[in-house]
Amino acid sequence: GNSVTQMEGPVTLSEEAFLTINCTYTATGYPSLFWYVQYPGEGLQLLLKATKADDKGSNKGFEATYRKETTSFHLEKGSVQVSDSAVYFCALKPISGNTPLVFGKGTRLSVIA
Amino acid sequence: GAGVSQSPRYKVAKRGQDVALRCDPISGHVSLFWYQQALGQGPEFLTYFQNEAQLDKSGLPSDRFFAERPEGSVSTLKIQRTQQEDSAVYLCASSDPGQLNTEAFFGQGTRLTVV
Repeated sequence: GNSVTQMEGPVTLSEEAFLTINCTYTATGYPSLFWYVQYPGEGLQLLLKATKADDKGSNKGFEATYRKETTSFHLEKGSVQVSDSAVYFCALKPISGNTPLVFGKGTRLSVIA
Repeated sequence: GAGVSQSPRYKVAKRGQDVALRCDPISGHVSLFWYQQALGQGPEFLTYFQNEAQLDKSGLPSDRFFAERPEGSVSTLKIQRTQQEDSAVYLCASSDPGQLNTEAFFGQGTRLTVV
């Protein structure tokens, strides 16, 4: 079946530190991959996505590269800000049809000044 | 509307009470999904509509859970005889399947607490 495994949190970083949140997946075929972010008190928002192998999704300084050989989609940011404090969810969407997203458990990031 | 709207934002129910959660998707979005997010977990799929047709309800945890979308727009998730394990945030998402690899837009969710 389809599943997503992401690193457990919470992750606490100082402002301007480098961020990596690991995400690996199991899926049949070649799914689309996503990172969603949930800021305090808000709904899930799409942060970035990649739809095929070697694609790099990027947004707001965050990046993730679709690695088919390692079935990974790690999230990175070179210099985090306090405003990046949120819960980050890795997700996949199987390729066939308009299927639901399969989410990881989420990683809470706290950035301190 | 501008985004997916869910109501109420918060609901406290006594065990055994029935509840109804409403989702207003983005206008024109054909696909609508319901997810359940337990505390500290990622969202888990409950059910999926395309227009008024419920195409997949494999994620509904029991026959106490029922969802409908009678006119292909607003959807209601109903939980009968609520139990404490039903406490969670219920998320609704809509998307336009006419676009390949389309993004799903989420509402803010309804936090249900069963006491």
